[in-house]
Amino acid sequence: SQTIHQWPATLVQPVGSPLSLECTVEGTSNPNLYWYRQAAGRGLQLLFYSVGIGQISSEVPQNLSASRPQDRQFILSSKKLLLSDSGFYLCAWKRTTNTGELFFGEGSRLTVL
Amino acid sequence: GESVGLHLPTLSVQEGDNSIINCAYSNSASDYFIWYKQESGKGPQFIIDIRSNMDKRQGQRVTVLLNKTVKHLSLQIAATQPGDSAVYFCAENRGGYNKLIFGAGTRLAVHP
Repeated sequence: SQTIHQWPATLVQPVGSPLSLECTVEGTSNPNLYWYRQAAGRGLQLLFYSVGIGQISSEVPQNLSASRPQDRQFILSSKKLLLSDSGFYLCAWKRTTNTGELFFGEGSRLTVL
Repeated sequence: GESVGLHLPTLSVQEGDNSIINCAYSNSASDYFIWYKQESGKGPQFIIDIRSNMDKRQGQRVTVLLNKTVKHLSLQIAATQPGDSAVYFCAENRGGYNKLIFGAGTRLAVHP
């Protein structure tokens, strides 16, 4: 069976500090990978998606970046966090077929102080 | 820009009643839609999906209706239970099945 893990689950960081959130998928190969952000009480905003190693599509301009160094690893990074980066970050994967179901991780809650 | 949105931000229902959560979308090119349920502090979970060549699909206690004429999607939950309390999101699939765009969400509160 397929599983998705993301960590850390909770993170409190000062403004201007770097960020690294990691996500790995097991039990499948060549998945599409996604990073979403959810502000408190709001919907899910698509940040990045990747259809293969080294292939990153950015959906919104921001001070975040994403990388996919391995087939089943997706990393969300920032060099200098802003207060507005606070939120609930969700990693997700889907098969590269014509079904659209995303499988989400449990999320990483980031608080920037 | 085009978006997926919801008519109601919150919905309160009595246990045992039926719930209807609505969603409007504006991208006529979207051909696949999904409803997700998100409990507090957790990632969203798949409920049911529907392709644009269908107007109705049923699951266990849930039914999704799609009206392409008015670009409207709804989720019906029969005999709503306390465990159904959560935030519900509709999402549309764009970009050749590579992108899933979510609406703002509706919070469903089930009262005894």
